[in-house]
Amino acid sequence: NAGVTQTPKFRVLKTGQSMTLLCAQDMNHEYMYWYRQDPGMGLRLIHYSVGEGTTAKGEVPDGYNVSRLKKQNFLLGLESAAPSQTSVYFCASSWGTWTGLNIQYFGAGTRLSVL
Amino acid sequence: AQSVTQLGSHVSVSEGALVLLRCNYSSSVPPYLFWYVQYPNQGLQLLLKYTSAATLVKGINGFEAEFKKSETSFHLTKPSAHMSDAAEYFCAVTRNYGQNFVFGPGTRLSVLP
Repeated sequence: NAGVTQTPKFRVLKTGQSMTLLCAQDMNHEYMYWYRQDPGMGLRLIHYSVGEGTTAKGEVPDGYNVSRLKKQNFLLGLESAAPSQTSVYFCASSWGTWTGLNIQYFGAGTRLSVL
Repeated sequence: AQSVTQLGSHVSVSEGALVLLRCNYSSSVPPYLFWYVQYPNQGLQLLLKYTSAATLVKGINGFEAEFKKSETSFHLTKPSAHMSDAAEYFCAVTRNYGQNFVFGPGTRLSVLP
């Protein structure tokens, strides 16, 4: 049971390049989330999804797009990377509000540097 | 809007000493509160959560936290620090128990031999 898997683990981009971060979970969770972590700022929610085919904006959505075509996958896209997007990105998943057990399970993170 | 404050970005304790990590929240309605731990180069792991049942919540690895509504606090404690407790700790709050988690800035705990 892998839990939440993020690929890639590391990536260096040049300004203006695009890339997609993949998050996969094997726990049949309904909810999935993308966060970015920056020093002294904790985790900030970028986008989230409450089910297959649905996405919603979080606290810092600008410059990012997401898709949830399959329940187990949640993709985060950067169309034109900027140095301000240098960060560590975390994906998380959870069951959902109705179960009363909405614990988030996190992946190991993706370190992205934009030069 | 909800917010979370963690007093002290870095806390150092000696091995065997009491660990106290502070968390205060602002919320217009009773919140759900969480403590997560992050070890170096890893994702976050849930330590414990408060969901309006008992105000004293016990978590993994000997940690516990007490919800005090009058102080809007949810401080994390452990009676005796171990070297393996060195990590970053995040307090988080959500109002509707599913979406819009708000994380605090984190407190890095160092344990000195």
